[in-house]
This record gives sequence, C-alpha cells and structure tokens, in this order.
Amino acid sequence: AQTVTQSQPEMSVQEAETVTLSCTYDTSESDYYLFWYKQPPSRQMILVIRQEAYKQQNATENRFSVNFQKAAKSFSLKISDSQLGDAAMYFCAYRAGGGADGLTFGKGTHLIIQP
Amino acid sequence: GAGVSQSPSNKVTEKGKDVELRCDPISGHTALYWYRQSLGQGLEFLIYFQGNSAPDKSGLPSDRFSAERTGGSVSTLTIQRTQQEDSAVYLCASRGLAGDWSYNEQFFGPGTRLTVL
Repeated sequence: AQTVTQSQPEMSVQEAETVTLSCTYDTSESDYYLFWYKQPPSRQMILVIRQEAYKQQNATENRFSVNFQKAAKSFSLKISDSQLGDAAMYFCAYRAGGGADGLTFGKGTHLIIQP
Repeated sequence: GAGVSQSPSNKVTEKGKDVELRCDPISGHTALYWYRQSLGQGLEFLIYFQGNSAPDKSGLPSDRFSAERTGGSVSTLTIQRTQQEDSAVYLCASRGLAGDWSYNEQFFGPGTRLTVL
C-alpha cells in the first residue's frame, strides 16, 4: 500500500520569506502523480501544484515550486515570498497513474505566516 | 454550477441515528470521490464512482456506510446507526473525463462537518 509522510506538523515563517514543506512517500508503482493541496479554515481543498512522476522537470506555479526527487521518493514544496494568505494546512497527496484511484494523503503541515 | 457543492454544511445528530450527506459534482464530471477527514485518522478515501461502473468501495470503514450515485450525477453518502467515532468532515470531489483538461485533478467541495453526540 502507498503511504505519504509529512514530518512537520507545524511550520512558521515570516511574511516575505521562503519556507519549504517536506513530504516523502512510498510506492512500488512507476506511474503516479503527486499533489500539494492547501486547506484554509474554510475547509475548501485547493490544488496548489501537481507533479507527474514521469516528468523530470520540477513543477512550478508562480511562488510555489516543488523539489521532486524520484529515487529518494521525496516531494517538497517551496513557497517563496510568503504572504498572509498562504496560512493554511498543506497536504501532500499521491495517486497511482490511470486516474481512477483515490488520493492518499499525508497528515498535513499547519503553516503559520508571521506578519 | 461553478464547483462541487455539498449539503448540509454542518450536521449534528444523536448516536444511533441515520444521516445522509449530499454531493453535487461539477457538471459533466464522470468521476466522484468521497473522503473522510478526522483528527485521529487524517484524510481517508472512502468510495469512488466512475460513470455507470460498479463503485470502488474499498475505503468504506464498515457496513454502516454506503453511497449511491443517481443518474451519474448527485451522490448521497449514508451512515446508519451513527457512532461518535463517525464525527468528522466528509469531503466530496469530482474529476473530468479522460482527455479533458481536468482529468488529472480532483476538485473538492467544502465538506460536511458531522458531529455525533
């Protein structure tokens, strides 16, 4: 079975600084997708960034980028120029290729932005 | 509708009662997922519907949990004889067709917070 581990229950960063959230996963599959979701207090899960395992290039979305290390099964999220609106729970998630499977989530990291 | 909607937003019930939670997916999305988010267990996959195929029920925690999807659109998650450990946020997500731009992303609703007294 696949597992996703987020080892940082909580992280704090000063506004405008950079923060990195860690995620490791375990799978025997070769085709899979990795995701970072943001969940603010409103409970709405919002996709931040997605990485296809077959792509060597790290995904980026504006201030958000990932460091995908396939051999190490590591998928960290870097948030640059942190903003107060970035404060939320962040979940790392895994899905096997093919599209059908449900997501396997990590336990989440609570990100605090200090003004 | 612009996104996935769920109702009710909050539900308080007494132990032993049955509850029904509703999910309206994004129009045209053929795949629908239910997840449970609780303090103790985190986010767990419950069940997956794809078109008219038999659902993947592999994540349902007990036979008290069941789900239907009528007409390939709206879905209802039913919990019978609720227990206090069923208290959680129940999230629904939908996904587009293969080949569609939204195929590789699950779009989530705002969830239903269930409290069992």
